[in-house]
Amino acid sequence: NAGVTQTPKFQVLKTGQSMTLQCAQDMNHEYMSWYRQDPGMGLRLIHYSVGAGITDQGEVPNGYNVSRSTTEDFPLRLLSAAPSQTSVYFCASSRDRGTEAFFGQGTRLTVV
Amino acid sequence: GEDVEQSLFLSVREGDSSVINCTYTDSSSTYLYWYKQEPGAGLQLLTYIFSNMDMKQDQRLTVLLNKKDKHLSLRIADTQTGDSAIYFCAESHGNKLVFGAGTILRVKS
Repeated sequence: NAGVTQTPKFQVLKTGQSMTLQCAQDMNHEYMSWYRQDPGMGLRLIHYSVGAGITDQGEVPNGYNVSRSTTEDFPLRLLSAAPSQTSVYFCASSRDRGTEAFFGQGTRLTVV
Repeated sequence: GEDVEQSLFLSVREGDSSVINCTYTDSSSTYLYWYKQEPGAGLQLLTYIFSNMDMKQDQRLTVLLNKKDKHLSLRIADTQTGDSAIYFCAESHGNKLVFGAGTILRVKS
């Protein structure tokens, strides 16, 4: 049972490059979300999805795009990377609103 | 609005009890959670409490909820070195989880 799988684990980008962080879950969860974790700031919600074809913005959506074409996958796209996007990114999924969220292992992104 | 606040650091001796505190602002939150993050890992759910409960006990963990003051606490009895981690308080807000900044728990042997 893989749970929530994020790839890659580490990534270094140059300013202006684009990339996609992958997230997949095998638990048939409807709810999926992306957070970024920065020191002293906890986890801040970037985007979330309540089901395939439905996405919405979180607290810090600027510079990121998402799509949810299948229940399993919820990729996060950085359109033009900036140093301010250096962070650890976590994907999470849950069965329903308010139930336990399962987290991936995180992607550590550095933008130089 | 939605805001969750925690103290940033707590240091205890092995065998002592640890109490991590959290305040939240959304009185309509149905669930309140405690997550644990070990170094280099994602978050794992430790325990949660429904908003209509005052207390929940699960082995060494005790969660206390004061709805009037919007205060949540996590007590870890007989704290061990393996409990050293970052602990996050979170509240459910609609379709979202809102997290505090995390409390670093350091356990000295």
